[in-house]
Amino acid sequence: GDSVTQMEGPVTLSEEACLTINCTYTATGYPSLFWYVQYPGEGLQLLLKATKADDKGSNKGFEATYRKETTSFHLEKGSVQVSDSAVYFCALILNNAGNMLTFGGGTRLMVKP
Amino acid sequence: DAGITQSPRHKVTETGTPVTLRCHQTENHRYMYWYRQDPGHGLRLIHYSYGVKDTDKGEVSDGYSVSRSKTEDFLLTLESATSSQTSVYFCAISATSGDYEQYFGPGTRLTVT
Repeated sequence: GDSVTQMEGPVTLSEEACLTINCTYTATGYPSLFWYVQYPGEGLQLLLKATKADDKGSNKGFEATYRKETTSFHLEKGSVQVSDSAVYFCALILNNAGNMLTFGGGTRLMVKP
Repeated sequence: DAGITQSPRHKVTETGTPVTLRCHQTENHRYMYWYRQDPGHGLRLIHYSYGVKDTDKGEVSDGYSVSRSKTEDFLLTLESATSSQTSVYFCAISATSGDYEQYFGPGTRLTVT
């Protein structure tokens, strides 16, 4: 079945450090890919998305590129802030199965001042 | 922010008792979803609805039922709660099938003792 694998956390960084959270996927079809973010005590929010190979999603300084050849969608940010501390989820949805998001296990990011 | 509320926000119940969680939206979105969030599993889809009285099962539907008698309300019922159903439950909505923007509610933390 379809699945998403993320690096396990927590990831602890100092403010202004570079961030990479790895995400790889397995899918029977041609998925669209997403990163969601969950701040403490809140629901998930869509951070960015990419719907086809080589697309780059970006938002709030975060970026991720859809790499079909490596089935990956790694999340990157050049300089993290304390306010970026949250749990990040990679997810996919198959374009012919519009209702079911498949999530990775989540990666907790902690940014220290 | 999308207008999604969940009630109750926290609940403690005993094994074997029935529990109903409510999701209410003010966006008039067609699609509604119930997920559970457990450590290491990300979010997993329990049930979803694609219209009034139209529902379908997700990945982890055993032990759960749903109902949608109005566009704005989607109820999740645990007929006889078990300790394995201790989790955080999230409701989500989207305007159309395959609309990759799913908007999440704040969550309900359920503890079954």
